[in-house]
Amino acid sequence: SQQGEEDPQALSIQEGENATMNCSYKTSINNLQWYRQNSGRGLVHLILIRSNEREKHSGRLRVTLDTSKKSSSLLITASRAADTASYFCSFFGNQFYFGTGTSLTVIP
Amino acid sequence: EAEVAQSPRYKITEKSQAVAFWCDPISGHATLYWYRQILGQGPELLVQFQDESVVDDSQLPKDRFSAERLKGVDSTLKIQPAELGDSAMYLCASRRGSLEFRTEAFFGQGTRLTVV
Repeated sequence: SQQGEEDPQALSIQEGENATMNCSYKTSINNLQWYRQNSGRGLVHLILIRSNEREKHSGRLRVTLDTSKKSSSLLITASRAADTASYFCSFFGNQFYFGTGTSLTVIP
Repeated sequence: EAEVAQSPRYKITEKSQAVAFWCDPISGHATLYWYRQILGQGPELLVQFQDESVVDDSQLPKDRFSAERLKGVDSTLKIQPAELGDSAMYLCASRRGSLEFRTEAFFGQGTRLTVV
């Protein structure tokens, strides 16, 4: 069963704009991670935020976590065409779950 | 840079045939996962190994799927007989330790299975 859900399901923006995607989850977590998946490929780890952290930055990525609302957001600033991919949140409840994913298209 | 190796990358098989996928995790990674990802959805866990032992196979359709990691290193996932609904991407991932919340998982490129 899907323990995590992301929205929007699909997002299309112009290069240079910011992209924000959200993840809501149902279980208690120790951390939350974001992964990226290029079409037809495996997943690549982007960033991990621990349950006692509220915000974390890595390059053009900013992740927030609100454990009271069981939600997280991923912001990609100054997007590039190469950012086009699907993005998944991931977290550990009694197993390692993934969200439903957001498909991001960055138009050059 | 160390990678999780999976083979084959693509597999087309006929319904009712047997099919097998292979995964070689990053050296020293004790935890290994097999996930199934249907197009447009997130990965769903099929089986998790800790060394050679199965930790979680609650979502593995055991009437047709089997997985093993005999020496606690590489792993094989088998489907017999394959059904049309098994068409999906099969992803293998590994993690250094057994404490799930401490570390990231590394994924292979996946095997795209098409059952015809």
